[in-house]
Amino acid sequence: AQSVTQLDSHVSVSEGTPVLLRCNYSSSYSPSLFWYVQHPNKGLQLLLKYTSAATLVKGINGFEAEFKKSETSFHLTKPSAHMSDAAEYFCVVSDRGSNSGYALNFGKGTSLLVTP
Amino acid sequence: GAVVSQHPSWVICKSGTSVKIECRSLDFQATTMFWYRQFPKQSLMLMATSNEGSKATYEQGVEKDKFLINHASLTLSTLTVTSAHPEDSSFYICSAITPGKGYEQYFGPGTRLTVT
Repeated sequence: AQSVTQLDSHVSVSEGTPVLLRCNYSSSYSPSLFWYVQHPNKGLQLLLKYTSAATLVKGINGFEAEFKKSETSFHLTKPSAHMSDAAEYFCVVSDRGSNSGYALNFGKGTSLLVTP
Repeated sequence: GAVVSQHPSWVICKSGTSVKIECRSLDFQATTMFWYRQFPKQSLMLMATSNEGSKATYEQGVEKDKFLINHASLTLSTLTVTSAHPEDSSFYICSAITPGKGYEQYFGPGTRLTVT
């Protein structure tokens, strides 16, 4: 089965500074990778996805991620953090090799704190 | 488009009773629906996969007799927690996919279950 590891459980940045949320994946073949955001007491929202097209993926709200096969990484970045970006972020891989078909395997999450 | 709803959004039940949670795809037909469980400040764990008209596939460690899943139509899946106990208190999230939308998973807003 494919899996992802989010390297930081908490990240704190100042408003206006860059954001970097790190994710490494483990896969025996070309994966589909996603970043989701979850605001408190809200549902999951898809930020962006990689499905073997362009390695630099642009998402919503100014976020982007780069698929690096040599490093098995899919880090999420944003040039300038906003207060509204404070949330929980999940790196996710589609486990096409499982009996669940297109089920998703979630990383443990990174809590992003944005300070004024 | 691609809206998934859950009902109820929040439910409290007494220990030993059963509670049903509904997951509906509002504007598309979902060939497959997934049920996830999320403990406070933790990641989502896949519980089961359900395909319309067939039995659900449960992940290892999930009791199929306790968490009954019924995918009776292409727009509705239900999760029934039977004989609930306080340890079943959690946030339950469903998602749905369809070939017409590239198999991307669309998530419901979640249902918070509290068992007293």
